[in-house]
Amino acid sequence: GDSVTQMEGPVTLSEEAFLTINCTYTATGYPSLFWYVQYPGEGLQLLLKATKADDKGSNKGFEATYRKETTSFHLEKGSVQVSDSAVYFCALSDLTGGGSEKLVFGKGTKLTVNP
Amino acid sequence: GAGVSQSPSNKVTEKGKDVELRCDPISGHTALYWYRQSLGQGLEFLIYFQGNSAPDKSGLPSDRFSAERTGGSVSTLTIQRTQQEDSAVYLCASSLRGQELEQYFGPGTRLTVT
Repeated sequence: GDSVTQMEGPVTLSEEAFLTINCTYTATGYPSLFWYVQYPGEGLQLLLKATKADDKGSNKGFEATYRKETTSFHLEKGSVQVSDSAVYFCALSDLTGGGSEKLVFGKGTKLTVNP
Repeated sequence: GAGVSQSPSNKVTEKGKDVELRCDPISGHTALYWYRQSLGQGLEFLIYFQGNSAPDKSGLPSDRFSAERTGGSVSTLTIQRTQQEDSAVYLCASSLRGQELEQYFGPGTRLTVT
């Protein structure tokens, strides 16, 4: 079945550092890819998405590019802030061949940004 | 407008008891999903409702778990004869038909089975 693998961390960075969280996927069809974020004490929020190869999703300074050749969707941010401290989840949804809209998640990566 | 709401926010129950968890989706959203977030298993899909179509129950872990959605709106997830391994945060999400890639999540219900 479909699956998502992401670096589990935890990741600790200083403010203004560069962030990369790796995510790779396995899918039988042609999935859409997502990054969700869960801030402390809050619910899951969609951060960004990409629906086809070479698409770049971006939001709040975060970016991720859908790489079909490497089955990857790595999350990057050039300069992190303390407010970016959260748990980040990579996910996919595979509607190919009548598949369900359910999300398949990675295990999550906890990011802590220190001032 | 109001987001997805879930109740209760916390539930502590004894092993063997039945529990009901409620989800109120965003008004007008036709699709509703239940997920479970636990330390050991991460985030797992449980069940999906879309309008009047038959639900996708493929993620329910056992026949102790069931869910219904009345009137195309509110949903109830029922766990019978709870076990300690059922302890988790149960998340509900909803989306608009045609925009199923935009799932909006509720705050979750934290279930603790003692």
